[in-house]
Amino acid sequence: EADIYQTPRYLVIGTGKKITLECSQTMGHDKMYWYQQDPGMELHLIHYSYGVNSTEKGDLSSESTVSRIRTEHFPLTLESARPSHTSQYLCASSGRAAGLRYTEAFFGQGTRLTVV
Amino acid sequence: AQKVTQAQTEISVVEKEDVTLDCVYETRDTTYYLFWYKQPPSGELVFLIRRNSFDEQNEISGRYSWNFQKSTSSFNFTITASQVVDSAVYFCALIDPTDKLIFGTGTRLQVFP
Repeated sequence: EADIYQTPRYLVIGTGKKITLECSQTMGHDKMYWYQQDPGMELHLIHYSYGVNSTEKGDLSSESTVSRIRTEHFPLTLESARPSHTSQYLCASSGRAAGLRYTEAFFGQGTRLTVV
Repeated sequence: AQKVTQAQTEISVVEKEDVTLDCVYETRDTTYYLFWYKQPPSGELVFLIRRNSFDEQNEISGRYSWNFQKSTSSFNFTITASQVVDSAVYFCALIDPTDKLIFGTGTRLQVFP
């Protein structure tokens, strides 16, 4: 069973507020990812990290920022939420296994964000 | 640059029909991994298969089978004798030494009784 957790599951917040979406994994995975997805639609990579103190932007431009100070923790922050940020945010992690450079990615349950 | 293309946006079939979902990928690297995920209406992403670039052996798992062809940069997924429970969005994904894990746009499969 995947050990990757996202909090909160649901968040409704007013425009202009600062928010942080939490993501933690207990599998010791070196790689972590944030995706933005509207229900049933494309998964857009917004940030990823291949280890502590490494973060990269993904293919979808995002006003959010991330940090990776600890292996297990990869929070995403929006300094000033806007209605256009309304979406589902999925966190994932992947690591290595014997003989494999990459395992499959394990996903959290997602945070559904609504900005009003 | 990496790219994953799933040209089929939506497929509808009747139960017991076979269906193939197409996936075409692009990468400059010789080492890469490909994945298929299923996302049912409940929303969670379910891992189906991983294949690395050095293993072109096709795989069968029950009603599911995968055809990996490096010559055409394709990694297609076939469901034999489809069932209503197969209705979901299916995503193909690619990771290479850039460590970016990117997904195709997904194919929505609807299986009608």
